[in-house]
Amino acid sequence: SQTIHQWPATLVQPVGSPLSLECTVEGTSNPNLYWYRQAAGRGLQLLFYSVGIGQISSEVPQNLSASRPQDRQFILSSKKLLLSDSGFYLCAWSVLAGGNEQFFGPGTRLTVL
Amino acid sequence: AQSVSQHNHHVILSEAASLELGCNYSYGGTVNLFWYVQYPGQHLQLLLKYFSGDPLVKGIKGFEAEFIKSKFSFNLRKPSVQWSDTAEYFCAAFSGGYNKLIFGAGTRLAVHP
Repeated sequence: SQTIHQWPATLVQPVGSPLSLECTVEGTSNPNLYWYRQAAGRGLQLLFYSVGIGQISSEVPQNLSASRPQDRQFILSSKKLLLSDSGFYLCAWSVLAGGNEQFFGPGTRLTVL
Repeated sequence: AQSVSQHNHHVILSEAASLELGCNYSYGGTVNLFWYVQYPGQHLQLLLKYFSGDPLVKGIKGFEAEFIKSKFSFNLRKPSVQWSDTAEYFCAAFSGGYNKLIFGAGTRLAVHP
């Protein structure tokens, strides 16, 4: 069966420090991968998605970037964190592009101080 | 812009009460529709989905939703809620023309024993 992992589960970082959040998927090949940010009362905002290794689409301009160095690995990064980067970050995968069900990871709670 | 609207941000019910959570989407063409649930401390998971066919969709844990194309709606229902249904519920829609999954802001449901 397929599983999705995210780490760390929680992270507290100072403003201006770098960030690296990792997401890995097991049990499937060539998944579509997604990074979302979940804010209270605002639902899920799509940040990045990827349909293959090295292929990244950015949905909103921001202080974050994403990379996909391997088929089942998706990384969310920042060179210098801002206070506004605090939030709950979710990784998800799907088998077909967009229309099919997306499966979500446990999320990372990021607090920037 | 494409959007998904959930009418209630917070709902409080007593056990055995009936539930209906509203969801409207703004896409004009063919859409795939989803309801996701996030129980406290758990992953976001799929409750049910509609792609085509019977507009009344049955999901897990006794939930159902009805797709009404003329009203651009996909309301979630459950005839008798339980304390364990306390969670946040998200409606989402995907349109091939827009090529991404759009989430509503979510509805927090609290069920009191």
